[in-house]
Amino acid sequence: NAGVTQTPKFQVLKTGQSMTLQCAQDMNHEYMSWYRQDPGMGLRLIHYSVGAGITDQGEVPNGYNVSRSTTEDFPLRLLSAAPSQTSVYFCASSRGTGVRETQYFGPGTRLLVL
Amino acid sequence: AQKVTQAQTEISVVEKEDVTLDCVYETRDTTYYLFWYKQPPSGELVFLIRRNSFDEQNEISGRYSWNFQKSTSSFNFTITASQVVDSAVYFCALLQGAQKLVFGQGTRLTINP
Repeated sequence: NAGVTQTPKFQVLKTGQSMTLQCAQDMNHEYMSWYRQDPGMGLRLIHYSVGAGITDQGEVPNGYNVSRSTTEDFPLRLLSAAPSQTSVYFCASSRGTGVRETQYFGPGTRLLVL
Repeated sequence: AQKVTQAQTEISVVEKEDVTLDCVYETRDTTYYLFWYKQPPSGELVFLIRRNSFDEQNEISGRYSWNFQKSTSSFNFTITASQVVDSAVYFCALLQGAQKLVFGQGTRLTINP
């Protein structure tokens, strides 16, 4: 298993540009989520999904959209990038949602918005 | 509200010293789960341990040990005989609801040779 994969590893955007951060897992995990990591603030939950077709907002959802058309993929979309979205983004997945499973993280995407 | 506090922003020790990373949490849930993750300089997040609120036994894994005390709402992490490879940022996290992780701010640990 490749585990949780994320692409790209690094991206530079200009203010107002859009892009999609890709996340995929090959472990047939039901739960997937996106976090952002900022200095001194730990990781904060952006959006999460408990299964294909089901998504919900986390702590800091503004400026981001998600969809979950398949179990494997959970892309994060920035419709109009802002400098405040400069961060490191992590995708995570876990086996189930009814039981409190351990979440495993992808390698991260470092995003710089100029 | 659920909250995790890691009061130590940075710790620096000399190799072979023991070091303890503190984690204090707040929750109203009677059943909850706590985690530690390691983030080495390469940037990925590595799962270290998960502990549920019903199990207060201390855990030891090699040079790593964890002390869970419900009475003080703490879940501290100790590295014995530290090594340079232990240098990383360490995060304590609390599981909120079914799957929402609430992270502490992280502690940057530097082990000097």
